[in-house]
Amino acid sequence: QSALTQPRSVSGSPGQSVTISCTGTSSDVGGYNYVSWYQQHPGKAPKLMIYHVSKRPSGVPDRFSGSKSGNTASLTISGLQAEDEADYYCCSYAGTYTRVFGGGTKVTVL
Amino acid sequence: QVHLVQSGAEVKKPGASVKVSCKASGYTFNTYGIIWVRQAPGQGLEWMGWISVYNGETNYAQKLQGRVTLTTDTSTSTAYMELRSLRSDDTAVYYCTRVGPSGDGFDYWGQGTLVTVST
Repeated sequence: QSALTQPRSVSGSPGQSVTISCTGTSSDVGGYNYVSWYQQHPGKAPKLMIYHVSKRPSGVPDRFSGSKSGNTASLTISGLQAEDEADYYCCSYAGTYTRVFGGGTKVTVL
Repeated sequence: QVHLVQSGAEVKKPGASVKVSCKASGYTFNTYGIIWVRQAPGQGLEWMGWISVYNGETNYAQKLQGRVTLTTDTSTSTAYMELRSLRSDDTAVYYCTRVGPSGDGFDYWGQGTLVTVST
């Protein structure tokens, strides 16, 4: 159960778009449409932003979108805002009721 | 509304055990699975294991097999995570979280419990 691969950091100016990648294998990301994304501000519990690759829970702005191609999932934040500065983690189902997280990506709003 | 409220911070010596509780409210407890996640200081999230509240079925991360046990008490709507033979690298914030209605996405989280392992 190796962690999914995410870039350590991405940055963008307010109003720009940033995309975070999450690369796994055919045994996790590529094998199931069970990829979710979480936002975590310092000292806080994670918050669900995307599930089932591209679905948004109610209350999550439509600036956040998810997609997947092969073994790589992506989270795109459009119209970047100051409050989007946080750590983001992907998570994938990996078979037999197991899950695996990515290493996390720090998003900085310049 | 849904709440998951965890027990307070713990300090343990190496080799000891810890049991963290997670009391659920605001929904039918045995309808959704519970997952435990931990986060070492300055590090990322680590999936620890899953329990079906409905039938008690469990699955654990390979690296924790044999040291961790997840249980639930449906009479009090409480989930428990016990970790044994504690080591210094078990120092982390431990979270319980609910698997959402669709079966994917962890939609509600506890506030976290800091477990410190130190001599």
